[in-house]
Amino acid sequence: EAQVTQNPRYLITVTGKKLTVTCSQNMNHEYMSWYRQDPGLGLRQIYYSMNVEVTDKGDVPEGYKVSRKEKRNFPLILESPSPNQTSLYFCASSLFYGLGVSTGEAGELFFGEGSRLTVL
Amino acid sequence: SQKIEQNSEALNIQEGKTATLTCNYTNYSPAYLQWYRQDPGRGPVFLLLIRENEKEKRKERLKVTFDTTLKQSLFHITASQPADSATYLCALNRDDKIIFGKGTRLHILP
Repeated sequence: EAQVTQNPRYLITVTGKKLTVTCSQNMNHEYMSWYRQDPGLGLRQIYYSMNVEVTDKGDVPEGYKVSRKEKRNFPLILESPSPNQTSLYFCASSLFYGLGVSTGEAGELFFGEGSRLTVL
Repeated sequence: SQKIEQNSEALNIQEGKTATLTCNYTNYSPAYLQWYRQDPGRGPVFLLLIRENEKEKRKERLKVTFDTTLKQSLFHITASQPADSATYLCALNRDDKIIFGKGTRLHILP
């Protein structure tokens, strides 16, 4: 079954304790991305990756790190979590990424089920 | 700065009627626009994609229009059903990023 798998689904942690949220996709997708979703603010992109070893910042990258050493995995790392990082996190992947009219390629995003993180 | 705006926080529609949701954007020209459905506590699910050179796209009871002059997309659900109740998100590409509106909560009333 084609899917994006995130772990953990739920996590309560304390300020400053490093954590990693894993994301894995089995669809051989090039594009992967992390979003956070907060009430009233919607989905905001944290980081994205267009392929192995290629990552870039989204709109809210502060306090997060990512890596893309393999095509299927795109972990999100919080080196020193703070309470303002309490949120619902989604990983997503896509076969193509949007480069605009020049490529004409665009793809739907497949989302994971989400990871609800609470930082105390 | 670039903005995506979706109409109203919640929309109540009587079952069987057509629900119309709006997505407006400013200050940029996306190559494509997508619509997603999100149920509470779940990840968004892709519904439709429309490119800038397409005026309209249909899929079963769903229809999307894309007006690049008005910088607006309309999302229609015809013959709406209570099972269509969810939050609907529009998304646009901005260079290599895919950014989302805040969504419209749709309630289909039986």
